[in-house]
Amino acid sequence: NAGVTQTPKFRVLKTGQSMTLLCAQDMNHEYMYWYRQDPGMGLRLIHYSVGEGTTAKGEVPDGYNVSRLKKQNFLLGLESAAPSQTSVYFCASRQSSNYGYTFGSGTRLTVV
Amino acid sequence: GQSLEQPSEVTAVEGAIVQINCTYQTSGFYGLSWYQQHDGGAPTFLSYNALDGLEETGRFSSFLSRSDSYGYLLLQELQMKDSASYFCAVRDSGQNFVFGPGTRLSVLP
Repeated sequence: NAGVTQTPKFRVLKTGQSMTLLCAQDMNHEYMYWYRQDPGMGLRLIHYSVGEGTTAKGEVPDGYNVSRLKKQNFLLGLESAAPSQTSVYFCASRQSSNYGYTFGSGTRLTVV
Repeated sequence: GQSLEQPSEVTAVEGAIVQINCTYQTSGFYGLSWYQQHDGGAPTFLSYNALDGLEETGRFSSFLSRSDSYGYLLLQELQMKDSASYFCAVRDSGQNFVFGPGTRLSVLP
């Protein structure tokens, strides 16, 4: 089915470890986003991309890096995980002419 | 700065009508969206308002008043499956949306 696919769905990391979250969409959307969701705080934008090869910082970018080498993929990296990065991470995408996001199912990350 | 406010919780009974409000203060404003999120699930898009007024989509309607920096989501003929969290989101630039903290709606039988 068409949509946004995130991998992995769950992960437990130790403090200081690194990991990459993968987001793939098959809808040919130009814009892609990474959000984190914490209880009572809604969704906060980490990084986003408006096209292949472009990335930009969002509201809470510290401790994260991203890459968009192919239009359909948007990778989120944590170089040295910290307990404060324990969260649910959502990837989303949309067409430039459409203002509704399509979200992936999320990655639940715990840093111990 | 960016600030969106929503009630944290709303409770209503099946078949009733409920209104979820959203007020915002953002550096830019291009439109207001609403999303539904069931526990453990992903947010799903409900509506987008760029202009003042009411937009209706089935049992759900969304309203915007740009002069009052205010909008609301109206849910009619409530069903148990409508129990979820609802988020407003402001498009504050050409590309991005800022999300509110969310309103948890509980529908009682």
